Amino acid sequence: GNSVTQMEGPVTLSEEAFLTINCTYTATGYPSLFWYVQYPGEGLQLLLKATKADDKGSNKGFEATYRKETTSFHLEKGSVQVSDSAVYFCALSSNSGGSNYKLTFGKGTLLTVNP
Amino acid sequence: EPEVTQTPSHQVTQMGQEVILRCVPISNHLYFYWYRQILGQKVEFLVSFYNNEISEKSEIFDDQFSVERPDGSNFTLKIRSTKLEDSAMYFCASSERSGSTGELFFGEGSRLTVL
Repeated sequence: GNSVTQMEGPVTLSEEAFLTINCTYTATGYPSLFWYVQYPGEGLQLLLKATKADDKGSNKGFEATYRKETTSFHLEKGSVQVSDSAVYFCALSSNSGGSNYKLTFGKGTLLTVNP
Repeated sequence: EPEVTQTPSHQVTQMGQEVILRCVPISNHLYFYWYRQILGQKVEFLVSFYNNEISEKSEIFDDQFSVERPDGSNFTLKIRSTKLEDSAMYFCASSERSGSTGELFFGEGSRLTVL
């Protein structure tokens, strides 16, 4: 079946540090890949996505590239801010039959950025 | 900005009691979902719902669970007789269309604690 494995947290960084959160996946077919973010007290929000191999998703300074050869979708940001403190979830979507798709999530990685 | 809203934000119940978690999806969305996250574990798919019927359900979604869209705006998850292991954060989500590129919009979650 499908699965997503992401870097165990928590991750604690200083402001302006470089961030990498690793994510690898196992899936049949050609899934789309996502990073969702959950800020304190809020719901899950889509951060970025990539729908095919070699696509790069980007948003708010975050980037992730769909690497089919390594089945990875690592999240990176060159310079984190305190406001980036949140839980980050890697996910893939797969066609579960008919026209319906569902998301398979990783465990989530808590990022804390200190000033 | 339209958003998915969930109530209650936190519910504490005794084992064996019935619980109803409520969600108001975004008004023009057609696909509805429930996910849950047991503390420290992955966000797991429970059920998807389209055109007034269940599209797909996971192994977790047994006979104790049911979903309903009673009035065209609310989308509810009912647990008939709660067990200790039902304690989790339950997320409702909706999407405008299905397909792997269709973004899911999540609510803030309802935390269920079963004593």
